[in-house]
Amino acid sequence: AQSVTQLDSHVSVSEGTPVLLRCNYSSSYSPSLFWYVQHPNKGLQLLLKYTSAATLVKGINGFEAEFKKSETSFHLTKPSAHMSDAAEYFCVVSDLPFEYGNKLVFGAGTILRVKS
Amino acid sequence: DTGVSQNPRHKITKRGQNVTFRCDPISEHNRLYWYRQTLGQGPEFLTYFQNEAQLEKSRLLSDRFSAERPKGSFSTLEIQRTEQGDSAMYLCASSFSGLAGQETQYFGPGTRLLVL
Repeated sequence: AQSVTQLDSHVSVSEGTPVLLRCNYSSSYSPSLFWYVQHPNKGLQLLLKYTSAATLVKGINGFEAEFKKSETSFHLTKPSAHMSDAAEYFCVVSDLPFEYGNKLVFGAGTILRVKS
Repeated sequence: DTGVSQNPRHKITKRGQNVTFRCDPISEHNRLYWYRQTLGQGPEFLTYFQNEAQLEKSRLLSDRFSAERPKGSFSTLEIQRTEQGDSAMYLCASSFSGLAGQETQYFGPGTRLLVL
């Protein structure tokens, strides 16, 4: 069965410093992996996705993530945090064949706080 | 606005009452998903439709829950005899099932349900 573990429930960084949000996954097949962001009172927005192409995936707003199969990890990084990055981030896995529907399995979320 | 919309955004009800939520997907999307998110947790899959057919239901979806997508466009989620444990954010997402690995789910803002 597929599952996702987000290793930190809260991360606090200063504006302008790097961001690292950690995610490990478990999957029986070749997974698709995603990072979504949720700002207060707004819907989930896709940051980036990995679907078996390049292992380093670039997303919106300067975020990127690297798929490491040997470590079953998909950590999210950003070189320099901005105040507007403060939000909750979800690591997500899907590994069913797409004809069976793309049921997403979410991690518990990491709340990112950015200090000025 | 061409995104996913959900109505109402907030619903307060008394235990035992029935409630119905509506989701309007992005117009060309043939798949529609419902998820539930409780406080401090990531969203959990409830059910999904391909066109008008409901193809999978989670074990989380008790017999008090029913979902429809009558013409393959908008969908409704009804909860009968609500319980306090039903209090959560109900999220809808839509996607187009094109090429394998290319499907992306776009989420609506959610309906927040509070059962008193």
